[in-house]
Amino acid sequence: NAGVTQTPKFRILKIGQSMTLQCTQDMNHNYMYWYRQDPGMGLKLIYYSVGAGITDKGEVPNGYNVSRSTTEDFPLRLELAAPSQTSVYFCASSTTGRSNQPQHFGDGTRLSIL
Amino acid sequence: KQEVTQIPAALSVPEGENLVLNCSFTDSAIYNLQWFRQDPGKGLTSLLLIQSSQREQTSGRLNASLDKSSGRSTLYIAASQPGDSATYLCAVRLEIKAAGNKLTFGGGTRVLVKP
Repeated sequence: NAGVTQTPKFRILKIGQSMTLQCTQDMNHNYMYWYRQDPGMGLKLIYYSVGAGITDKGEVPNGYNVSRSTTEDFPLRLELAAPSQTSVYFCASSTTGRSNQPQHFGDGTRLSIL
Repeated sequence: KQEVTQIPAALSVPEGENLVLNCSFTDSAIYNLQWFRQDPGKGLTSLLLIQSSQREQTSGRLNASLDKSSGRSTLYIAASQPGDSATYLCAVRLEIKAAGNKLTFGGGTRVLVKP
């Protein structure tokens, strides 16, 4: 039961570097999401996707990009890392929007920008 | 814009005491409300999901109530145990026809159950 898998678990970046956070799910879910969680705060939606080839912005999309070429994978890209992007990033997935099924979360990627 | 608030931010109780966690939201037009548990360094685990037409949901020692008109939900954990120590988050999904099962989260309540 892999569920939602995120890699890497930890990463330290220098300002201006770029990286891709990987997310894959094996539940055949159409909907996938990227959230960030700052210390002591709730989660804020960065981007989401309702299916392969379809993505849309969430609450805090600036500085990030996503793509969804397959149902299973939903990578998040940081092009020019900034200290404000230091956070814990969570990927989640769910079945189609009209259901009352919960979102399933990965264990997160802890990212520090120095 | 939907805002979700959880008060208190932290709570400490002796083992065996009942826990009462509060969640309030500003827009009552919700599709559902979910309660999650988050352990340190881990992701979120869904505990209970209450549909907008429901008043409460129960699972074992957990009971969650929903009052849409007042914009409130309460999570009760009976006979708390040290293993219940974690951060509890609530999240609401708006009743909208737009695509996406988007959730708005509260800031969480960090719970410590002392043996």
